[in-house]
Amino acid sequence: ETGVTQTPRHLVMGMTNKKSLKCEQHLGHNAMYWYKQSAKKPLELMFVYNFKEQTENNSVPSRFSPECPNSSHLFLHLHTLQPEDSALYLCASSQVGTGEGTDTQYFGPGTRLTVL
Amino acid sequence: QKEVEQDPGPLSVPEGAIVSLNCTYSNSAFQYFMWYRQYSRKGPELLMYTYSSGNKEDGRFTAQVDKSSKYISLFIRDSQPSDSATYLCAMEVAPGNTGKLIFGQGTTLQVKP
Repeated sequence: ETGVTQTPRHLVMGMTNKKSLKCEQHLGHNAMYWYKQSAKKPLELMFVYNFKEQTENNSVPSRFSPECPNSSHLFLHLHTLQPEDSALYLCASSQVGTGEGTDTQYFGPGTRLTVL
Repeated sequence: QKEVEQDPGPLSVPEGAIVSLNCTYSNSAFQYFMWYRQYSRKGPELLMYTYSSGNKEDGRFTAQVDKSSKYISLFIRDSQPSDSATYLCAMEVAPGNTGKLIFGQGTTLQVKP
């Protein structure tokens, strides 16, 4: 496997279900991200993990719970979601803190989530 | 006011046309400007990156930044059907390398053969 992988690619869940999204990066990066992508809206940064520690939580509802057990893996645990949470959830990784210059974020293919 | 504004399109052009994609922004602290390309059913991938003002060229692609107008552009020359994708602009404040990118909503481009 190369780059950033995400599983599952598609997920349909009811509002009372509990599910988890998984992301794995094979690039040796030290930061990982969860984004939400909805139609006609900018990518919304949800969570940032830098050196396995959460450094950003952009007012995301508690029904989304991230977990980063190590610098290569990132999970997003979902429970009691709402239909408006249906979107493409993208994981990304980058190497941050290496001096000036922007970090190139490498994205996975995303998980298309539908909440019924 | 959104920090970054981008016309969502869709934009449809014939093959060979010159395409101009644009973003405006409100935060004068942005110093790093990026263009990501996202094909259908894929994640975004970095296409070009520019620091501060000026132009940068890479093959058929030219990125332009006008900080005085808070306006950035991506030009695609001799557009090809394979350029059909969504193009997202992204920006970051200095010193960069923070992981905090602010994205536009993306412009969907279709290049017709």
